[in-house]
Amino acid sequence: EIVMTQSPATLSVSPGERATLSCRASQSVSSNLAWYQQKPGQAPRLLIYGASTRATGIPARFSGSGSGTEFTLTISSLQSEDFAVYYCQQYNNWPPTFGGGTKVEIK
Amino acid sequence: EVQLLESGGGLVQPGGSLRLSCAASGFTFSSYAMSWVRQAPGKGLEWVSAISGSGGSTYYADSVKGRFTISRDNSKNTLYLQMNSLRAEDTAVYYCAKDSIAAAALDAFDIWGQGTMVTVSS
Repeated sequence: EIVMTQSPATLSVSPGERATLSCRASQSVSSNLAWYQQKPGQAPRLLIYGASTRATGIPARFSGSGSGTEFTLTISSLQSEDFAVYYCQQYNNWPPTFGGGTKVEIK
Repeated sequence: EVQLLESGGGLVQPGGSLRLSCAASGFTFSSYAMSWVRQAPGKGLEWVSAISGSGGSTYYADSVKGRFTISRDNSKNTLYLQMNSLRAEDTAVYYCAKDSIAAAALDAFDIWGQGTMVTVSS
């Protein structure tokens, strides 16, 4: 199965600053990569699919890039509601696999 | 409004069984593949199983193959997960999730339920 590795595990950022999260696949997943946001006690929410397409209702401050094995989620100016855990997921090969997550915390 | 609502979780002894349900509304249920994804306490997300829109194709993670069975009743807009021979390591919140594209075999999940907790303990 494809192993997804996210870095860093924890990212400390001040409100208003930019956050850059990385996700690496153990083999190419083309652009079949999604990003999710999860807040404590809540279900994950789809942010990005196709590596760079924002899901419905997702603010423009969230952007995704990359293809093949290297991917990035950028939050251009962190808002208070953006502090959460972010997961990447590949859906190019069975089984679909998730990264271990990056926790974005307030600095 | 597109919605998924899980039920059926609870406390079960090791070796026991449980059946989870996920009631769907607000979309053409039979057009979309559905999955179960779980999250152990304090841990990340793990895909468990998927089923095609027609129910004709099913997929399982190696960790549950032979013990769990996914099914759906399109007349009732409901997804199921029958869990047998449960182990302590199956303890998790179980989410049902909808594929974002109709008729896709493997896709991102655009809608998630609120989750149901399964605890396997004696």
